[in-house]
Amino acid sequence: SYVLTQPPSVSVAPGKTARITCGGDNVGSKYVHWYQQKPGQAPVLVIYYDSDRPSGIPERFSGSKSGNTATLTISRVEAGDEADYYCQMWDSSSDHPGVLGTGTRVTVL
Amino acid sequence: QVQLVQSGAEVKKPGASVKVSCKASGYTFTNYGISWVRQAPGQGLEWMGWISAYNGNTNYAQKLQGRVTMTTDTSTSTVYMELRSLRSDDTAVYYCARNYFEIRRPSGDAFDYWGQGTLVTVSS
Repeated sequence: SYVLTQPPSVSVAPGKTARITCGGDNVGSKYVHWYQQKPGQAPVLVIYYDSDRPSGIPERFSGSKSGNTATLTISRVEAGDEADYYCQMWDSSSDHPGVLGTGTRVTVL
Repeated sequence: QVQLVQSGAEVKKPGASVKVSCKASGYTFTNYGISWVRQAPGQGLEWMGWISAYNGNTNYAQKLQGRVTMTTDTSTSTVYMELRSLRSDDTAVYYCARNYFEIRRPSGDAFDYWGQGTLVTVSS
């Protein structure tokens, strides 16, 4: 099954930009989705299909992909963005279609 | 509005089984599959498997094969996840999540709605 590797932690000052990467062998050929999880809460979808934003998610959240690396960018970071973030892929042809990244803790300084 | 409501917390002894339910509302149940994802204390998210609410087809994570069974009850729009031969490392919060997909973008399911989570504690 695939492995999606994320940096364990990212620290960012308020008002600055946070970038979280997600790398893996098949990232370039599959859609990548991103989730935000705050302590004690269920994950929330913040970016889907590489760069689409669900309704209600601020425009400060954006997604992109280059080669086998996907990136979640949070612009003008706020204290409320402090959370764990996970990338995810799905491959219907695989015997293990659901794959989640290792997760990144975003700390707002 | 779409809601997934899960059953309450469970405490089980090693070797026992647990069955967690996930009741869906606010959409046509048979149009979407459901995945189960678990999270051990202080750890990341782990995909456990998927079930089609349309025909009951399943796909389980290899490490859980033989211990996990997912079923649906279309009359009540409820999905069940049973895990057997519980071990201490099965202690986790278990989430159900709806598989969202777009026909024009195949093989790209996202998890757009999640249940509130069910804590399963395995302890002697």
